[in-house]
Amino acid sequence: SQELEQSPQSLIVQEGKNLTINCTSSKTLYGLYWYKQKYGEGLIFLMMLQKGGEEKSHEKITAKLDEKKQQSSLHITASQPSHAGIYLCGAGSSGTYKYIFGTGTRLKVLA
Amino acid sequence: EADIYQTPRYLVIGTGKKITLECSQTMGHDKMYWYQQDPGMELHLIHYSYGVNSTEKGDLSSESTVSRIRTEHFPLTLESARPSHTSQYLCASSEGQGMKNIQYFGAGTRLSVL
Repeated sequence: SQELEQSPQSLIVQEGKNLTINCTSSKTLYGLYWYKQKYGEGLIFLMMLQKGGEEKSHEKITAKLDEKKQQSSLHITASQPSHAGIYLCGAGSSGTYKYIFGTGTRLKVLA
Repeated sequence: EADIYQTPRYLVIGTGKKITLECSQTMGHDKMYWYQQDPGMELHLIHYSYGVNSTEKGDLSSESTVSRIRTEHFPLTLESARPSHTSQYLCASSEGQGMKNIQYFGAGTRLSVL
């Protein structure tokens, strides 16, 4: 079965610093979703990547799917306290409407 | 902005009680899901539904049950709650095919069983 491994597991950065979160799949990805979760809340959809090499941006967050479609990275530029939370990558499970989710990355941004 | 609602947001109950976690969506989505999230952040699918009168068990075994009598409503029931059921429960809904099947989540219910 497919697994999604995220790294790092947790991250503490100073406000204004850039950071990158990675999501690595054990199998070829046919698309990837990125979500953000504030502590104790539900998941908020950030963006979806489908094609190898595709890159998308939303405000100061940029996500990319590599050419081989087995890894995605999420990059935050000039981090702010509002970026704090848990970031989760998700992928559709072949032949079903189900997702599998990554192991999660907990981000803390110090003011 | 997703219109999917979960109630209650927080619930503290004693062992052996029967509880129902509510999930409703106003988007007309055909697919709905229940996830259990452990403190380690991972989400585990426990139930899903592809439409009215359709329910399936997810990848993580759960003692809970679900029903889907109306498109917009997907309640989860625990007949006899135990401390091992303490967790965060997240409901989601989606529509569309392939990659357009984006799941939208409710705010979650945090359940504590004493």
